[in-house]
Amino acid sequence: NAGVMQNPRHLVRRRGQEARLRCSPMKGHSHVYWYRQLPEEGLKFMVYLQKENIIDESGMPKERFSAEFPKEGPSILRIQQVVRGDSAAYFCASSPARDSAYEQYFGPGTRLTVT
Amino acid sequence: AQSVTQPDIHITVSEGASLELRCNYSYGATPYLFWYVQSPGQGLQLLLKYFSGDTLVQGIKGFEAEFKRSQSSFNLRKPSVHWSDAAEYFCAVRPGGYNKLIFGAGTRLAVHP
Repeated sequence: NAGVMQNPRHLVRRRGQEARLRCSPMKGHSHVYWYRQLPEEGLKFMVYLQKENIIDESGMPKERFSAEFPKEGPSILRIQQVVRGDSAAYFCASSPARDSAYEQYFGPGTRLTVT
Repeated sequence: AQSVTQPDIHITVSEGASLELRCNYSYGATPYLFWYVQSPGQGLQLLLKYFSGDTLVQGIKGFEAEFKRSQSSFNLRKPSVHWSDAAEYFCAVRPGGYNKLIFGAGTRLAVHP
């Protein structure tokens, strides 16, 4: 059973470009979470999605960031007009259900570098 | 607001020595508590979790953690550290009713031969 897949693993963008990060949850998981890890810091929650629904986006920056989890295909975290401060590791996690008892399984992350 | 504090940023131990990593949380009720390990350039792997019941929780790789309500702590322990345990360790809480995890800043563990 494949784990949580994220691609690309490394992404380099120039300031002002768009970054698209993809996350395929574990088989049978319908809940996806995105976290950001800035250098030398812990992970910070960004957004929680179910298929076709954003459940909690309390950690998402108000501008330039968006996320989706369509009925078919991976979840996408999109960052428009990237700036240097967006350089970070972005982790996706998935769980099988909403129940808090279910643990979140993490992907290997996408390391975004903005030059 | 909920928060997690890991007071030790870096810890160095000798191989074979015992280990304790500290974690304190701030939350009104008992949250769900987790310890994750992150090897360099890798994702996070769950070591153990506490939801309720026995306050001493056993995890993978020989780790255990003890929940102490009176101290709002959930410290991670291992009786004998192996060189392969060198990594970064994150404590996390999941407040009841929420699905997001709140992480501490992490403790980086180095192991001397």
